[in-house]
Amino acid sequence: EVQLVESGGGLIQPGGSLRLSCEGSGLIASSNYMTWVRQAPGKGLEWVAVIWHGGSAYYADSVKGRFTISRDNSKNTVYLEMNSLRVEDTAVYYCARDRYGEKTYWGQGTLVTVSS
Amino acid sequence: FLLTQPHSVSASPGETVTISCTRSSGSIDTNYVQWYQQRPGSAPTTVIYDDNKRPSGVPDRFSGSIDSSSNSASLTISGLKTEDEAQYYCLSYHSSSQGVFGGGTKVTVL
Repeated sequence: EVQLVESGGGLIQPGGSLRLSCEGSGLIASSNYMTWVRQAPGKGLEWVAVIWHGGSAYYADSVKGRFTISRDNSKNTVYLEMNSLRVEDTAVYYCARDRYGEKTYWGQGTLVTVSS
Repeated sequence: FLLTQPHSVSASPGETVTISCTRSSGSIDTNYVQWYQQRPGSAPTTVIYDDNKRPSGVPDRFSGSIDSSSNSASLTISGLKTEDEAQYYCLSYHSSSQGVFGGGTKVTVL
């Protein structure tokens, strides 16, 4: 079973930066694409960013220009660099792994709280 | 585009519920639709992928379909059980490679 483990969440002041990591027990390199999804307290799922195997990346309009997704296949890790954080970025951040013809695998999430 | 789901559905044990996911613009069959289940306090899990495929371990009471006439996808849960009580989300992708989630549907087992 694929296991994804997120880390790097915590309490950060508005305007600050944080880097989330998602380690994938050897299977991130075999993915077609990796995604970050977030969920604000009491709200639904929000798609944040995707990075394809070849490195192309796409972002939700709400984070474009502030967040950067990257991957290091040799370390089986995907990252989400978050800059200029806002209160409304407070959420649980999940990483997800997709491969064509297979189901999506999800991590357990890491909480990011943006507050002064 | 937007994906619109009913806010909530409910039924008694053993009954059938169907959750719709209607695409506001563009064809529903342009990109695959995924369905995720999320129980309170837990991460999402996949119940249907690529429109109608069921992962191993997911009961065959769960099924997915696409209806081009209504431009919508549907998740059907038959033989409803108390353990099916959860939030369900649909997801599809824009041609720009941005993902779009539906707002989620709360399934209540009466």
